[in-house]
Amino acid sequence: QKEVEQNSGPLSVPEGAIASLNCTYSDRGSQSFFWYRQYSGKSPELIMSIYSNGDKEEDGRFTAQLNKASQYVSLLIRDSQPSDSATYLCAVTTDRGSTLGRLYFGRGTQLTVWP
Amino acid sequence: DAMVIQNPRYQVTQFGKPVTLSCSQTLNHNVMYWYQQKSSQAPKLLFHYYDKDFNNEADTPDNFQSRRPNTSFCFLDIRSPGLGDAAMYLCATSRGQGVGKAFFGQGTRLTVV
Repeated sequence: QKEVEQNSGPLSVPEGAIASLNCTYSDRGSQSFFWYRQYSGKSPELIMSIYSNGDKEEDGRFTAQLNKASQYVSLLIRDSQPSDSATYLCAVTTDRGSTLGRLYFGRGTQLTVWP
Repeated sequence: DAMVIQNPRYQVTQFGKPVTLSCSQTLNHNVMYWYQQKSSQAPKLLFHYYDKDFNNEADTPDNFQSRRPNTSFCFLDIRSPGLGDAAMYLCATSRGQGVGKAFFGQGTRLTVV
């Protein structure tokens, strides 16, 4: 499976701080990038999308950034809250060729926000 | 309002006894995925369907099979479960080309005894 690498952490930040999570990918043809949040024992929940054409979605305290030259994607969480404590999964996909439709995940970074 | 529904939520099966997990969606999405996730590991893609086209990952064991009888339903069959197949099985859907956002069901926790 295509490699998606994440620092598994754990990453620990105080409440109110900025949490920065990173993800690198091996397939230069990857076109779409996603961040999912997964609470323990639950399924992943999509929180952020960013695309190789520059389109991206921002949701309040969450911002995603893409560096195509260096093949990494980052997620910034501003004003971190204890409820943000979870595992954050990076996922990438391509929309062409033999990998059409395939969505691959990293193993996730565990984030803890302490009060 | 549930959009991707997996049944059952918890499944206990005996070693070697075939088991089927189901997934249904109300989103009319083209793509349906099956992932296996073990503790502290990345979700591992087993298969995906792009419409009726079945796509198997090279490292998916032959013990795992899938069926998609129509747009809304997809099944994961484990022919002879082993202890190593105990995991959370996640079904997800997406619109496919151009928009790859995937939405997950709640998962089925499989225990093999």
